[in-house]
Amino acid sequence: SQQGEEDPQALSIQEGENATMNCSYKTSINNLQWYRQNSGRGLVHLILIRSNEREKHSGRLRVTLDTSKKSSSLLITASRAADTASYFCATAFYNTDKLIFGTGTRLQVFP
Amino acid sequence: DSGVTQTPKHLITATGQRVTLRCSPRSGDLSVYWYQQSLDQGLQFLIQYYNGEERAKGNILERFSAQQFPDLHSELNLSSLELGDSALYFCASSPRGASTDTQYFGPGTRLTVL
Repeated sequence: SQQGEEDPQALSIQEGENATMNCSYKTSINNLQWYRQNSGRGLVHLILIRSNEREKHSGRLRVTLDTSKKSSSLLITASRAADTASYFCATAFYNTDKLIFGTGTRLQVFP
Repeated sequence: DSGVTQTPKHLITATGQRVTLRCSPRSGDLSVYWYQQSLDQGLQFLIQYYNGEERAKGNILERFSAQQFPDLHSELNLSSLELGDSALYFCASSPRGASTDTQYFGPGTRLTVL
């Protein structure tokens, strides 16, 4: 089964609004990554947060990690139509190099 | 452009057939990963190679096999194909094969089994 489960499955917002996606996982992790996928294309790495970090920023992206709740969130601020894509969290099991991808959140940003 | 190339882009074949998907990693990357993405199963990790050796295995069926060659390109072989094997197959590469690496994804091969 998938290690990460994203919530919500789908999200529709207007340009300029913020989008928040959540990821929950089941076992201890080394790190958690977020990827973006435009329809039918390959995934693109967005950001990595290590298990000893609580928050990380990259441009309009903010990622938080709560290892006690086994969850992470991705916030996209001031969203744009070009942010329309699916967003996946990927977790690396403790003591392995394998990345397991979650089910993804489909984000639609309307102009 | 991630620097990872995959061929072919599209493949249409019949049940029972065998196909080979090819991946060339980014220059300098030693590790290659294969993933299967279908509507009902999401993105499934299949297998990882590092410098020619198998490093990690995921939900790869026995009918599927892969290898990484000395020039670091990789091939995924799918045999006795079934309708359910229709999916997007992605290859990704990373520098060291570590979980902290960024994985760079290719554009994918869309396999349709009729």
